[in-house]
Amino acid sequence: AQSVSQHNHHVILSEAASLELGCNYSYGGTVNLFWYVQYPGQHLQLLLKYFSGDPLVKGIKGFEAEFIKSKFSFNLRKPSVQWSDTAEYFCAGDYMNTGFQKLVFGTGTRLLVSP
Amino acid sequence: KAGVTQTPRYLIKTRGQQVTLSCSPISGHRSVSWYQQTPGQGLQFLFEYFSETQRNKGNFPGRFSGRQFSNSRSEMNVSTLELGDSALYLCASSLMTPGLAGGRDTQYFGPGTRLTVL
Repeated sequence: AQSVSQHNHHVILSEAASLELGCNYSYGGTVNLFWYVQYPGQHLQLLLKYFSGDPLVKGIKGFEAEFIKSKFSFNLRKPSVQWSDTAEYFCAGDYMNTGFQKLVFGTGTRLLVSP
Repeated sequence: KAGVTQTPRYLIKTRGQQVTLSCSPISGHRSVSWYQQTPGQGLQFLFEYFSETQRNKGNFPGRFSGRQFSNSRSEMNVSTLELGDSALYLCASSLMTPGLAGGRDTQYFGPGTRLTVL
């Protein structure tokens, strides 16, 4: 079955620390991958996406993610977090072989950045 | 360009009632998808509409239904509400130009409708 998993449910970091959030997707053919962020009280916003091409993708607010096909992974990274990065982060996949667009979400990672 | 809008933002209903939620996609976007977000189950796909046709449906009971109008606006209906239907219902729109490679595009989300069933 198509699935996306995020192994870190809660992460606590101090400001300026480096961040890496794990995301793995199940095998299911070609998949488009996304990271969304949900700040407290706000709606889901797109951080970055990977459809094809360069496996290292850069998004907004200094975030980047690397698509590693051999590991079925799409981890999110940021070299130095800020207090304003406190939010919930969702990895999602859109499996192309389904024929129709449907995002499969991971369970989310709550990030708390202490000042 | 205005984002995805959803109305109402908050709803309180009692068991057995029905509810209709509305979603207006980003101008020019033709695909509308609905998701349910709960603390226990996370974000789960409900259904997707394109050109007034439901093309894909998630694993939800028949009490959950929807439709899309010719202007791409969409409504979602839940009949015979149960306590477990309490959730944040999210709508997302995307451009979805058929014929292009993959025909897929990024989904942009609205603020959601918070439904509480008492």
